[in-house]
Amino acid sequence: DGGITQSPKYLFRKEGQNVTLSCEQNLNHDAMYWYRQDPGQGLRLIYYSQIVNDFQKGDIAEGYSVSREKKESFPLTVTSAQKNPTAFYLCASGDRKDSNQPQHFGDGTRLSIL
Amino acid sequence: GDSVTQMEGPVTLSEEAFLTINCTYTATGYPSLFWYVQYPGEGLQLLLKATKADDKGSNKGFEATYRKETTSFHLEKGSVQVSDSAVYFCALSGGGSEKLVFGKGTKLTVNP
Repeated sequence: DGGITQSPKYLFRKEGQNVTLSCEQNLNHDAMYWYRQDPGQGLRLIYYSQIVNDFQKGDIAEGYSVSREKKESFPLTVTSAQKNPTAFYLCASGDRKDSNQPQHFGDGTRLSIL
Repeated sequence: GDSVTQMEGPVTLSEEAFLTINCTYTATGYPSLFWYVQYPGEGLQLLLKATKADDKGSNKGFEATYRKETTSFHLEKGSVQVSDSAVYFCALSGGGSEKLVFGKGTKLTVNP
């Protein structure tokens, strides 16, 4: 079945450590997105990529980095510069040629600080 | 910029009660409108969508009508079930951008 796979489901970060969240899609979508979800705040866009080897900052990019070396993959690194990383992270993909099509979401990664 | 405002939760209902979750938007141009649902511990799933004025989206007994004159896309269901307990997000896209803009979400709890 086509879909989006995020891993791991749970992740713990130590002080000063960078961690990388994986996101893979087999929907042949050009666009991919990373969101952060905090209680009562909805979803906020961290980074997005419309095509391989290109990406743009979203609303809350500070302390995060991404890469898009393959169409299928869009990993997110939470760096030590992100002082409040505890949140639920959601990856999504979409067909950028048609804004009427919805984004498809993975099941998320819950990141906590040790 | 574009924005979505949805009613604050949480909302608690008894089984078979009528549900309305209000959603209004501000956007340039003619956005597409969506309702997503998130069950505990999971990602978001598309519930329904509408792409132009007066369109009605429907799925699993839920409905929402794209009202351009009131810039609204309220979610309704005539008889909720315990299994409908989840967080519901209103969202929009369009106006030349493929990015989604989300409301803050409304948590619904349905008691037996």
